[in-house]
Amino acid sequence: DADVTQTPRNRITKTGKRIMLECSQTKGHDRMYWYRQDPGLGLRLIYYSFDVKDINKGEISDGYSVSRQAQAKFSLSLESAIPNQTALYFCATSEGLKGETQYFGPGTRLLVL
Amino acid sequence: AQSVTQLDSQVPVFEEAPVELRCNYSSSVSVYLFWYVQYPNQGLQLLLKYLSGSTLVKGINGFEAEFNKSQTSFHLRKPSVHISDTAEYFCAVSIIQGAQKLVFGQGTRLTINP
Repeated sequence: DADVTQTPRNRITKTGKRIMLECSQTKGHDRMYWYRQDPGLGLRLIYYSFDVKDINKGEISDGYSVSRQAQAKFSLSLESAIPNQTALYFCATSEGLKGETQYFGPGTRLLVL
Repeated sequence: AQSVTQLDSQVPVFEEAPVELRCNYSSSVSVYLFWYVQYPNQGLQLLLKYLSGSTLVKGINGFEAEFNKSQTSFHLRKPSVHISDTAEYFCAVSIIQGAQKLVFGQGTRLTINP
C-alpha cells in the first residue's frame, strides 16, 4: 500500500462549488504539506502543518483552507472553486529533520469548469 | 527569499547520450539543495540532495549533481540516459535555518528518444 494517498485522483467541478481534497499517510510523520503544480510554474506551497495544532499559510493560500483532522490526515478545501484553480494538487509529508526528504502522494487532478 | 531557476523547460536527448539539467538558485542564507523526479502520472520522489560535505552528490538511477557555491548552481548529470529516465525533473531549495519549506524551480521535462 502507498504511504501517502490522495482522494480523489481526478475531479471535475463547476465554478462556485465547494470541494475537498483529502490526504492520508501511514508514515507516522508530523509534517504535512499541500502544493499545486501548474505547467511552467513548478510546485507552489499552499498550506503546511507541523503538527495537529499547527497550520501555516504557504505562498498561495488565498481561496484555500485546510484541516488537520489527525496526525495522519490533512484535507484541502476550495471554498468556492474558480477556473484558475484548475491544477494538479499534491500532498506531501516529512519527519521534521534538517535537510529532510518530503514524500509525495500521487496527486489529484482538478478541473474547474 | 529564495528562488530557483531551471534554465531549460525541455531537454530532448537520444538514448545512451549524456545529459545535464541546469539549476541555479538565489538565496541570502545557506541552503540545502534537492533534485526531485516526477515520472508520468506519479508524484515526486527524491533523486538526490546536498546537505553538506562533498560537493558531488550521487543519487538513484545513476544521477549525480554538483554543488557550486560561487556560481550558485546545482546541475544534474547522467553519463548515459535510458528511455526510463523520461520524466520531469525539479530542482528545489530549503534554507538551513528555518521551517524546512521547499521552494521549487519550474521543472525540466527530459525526453529520451530511441
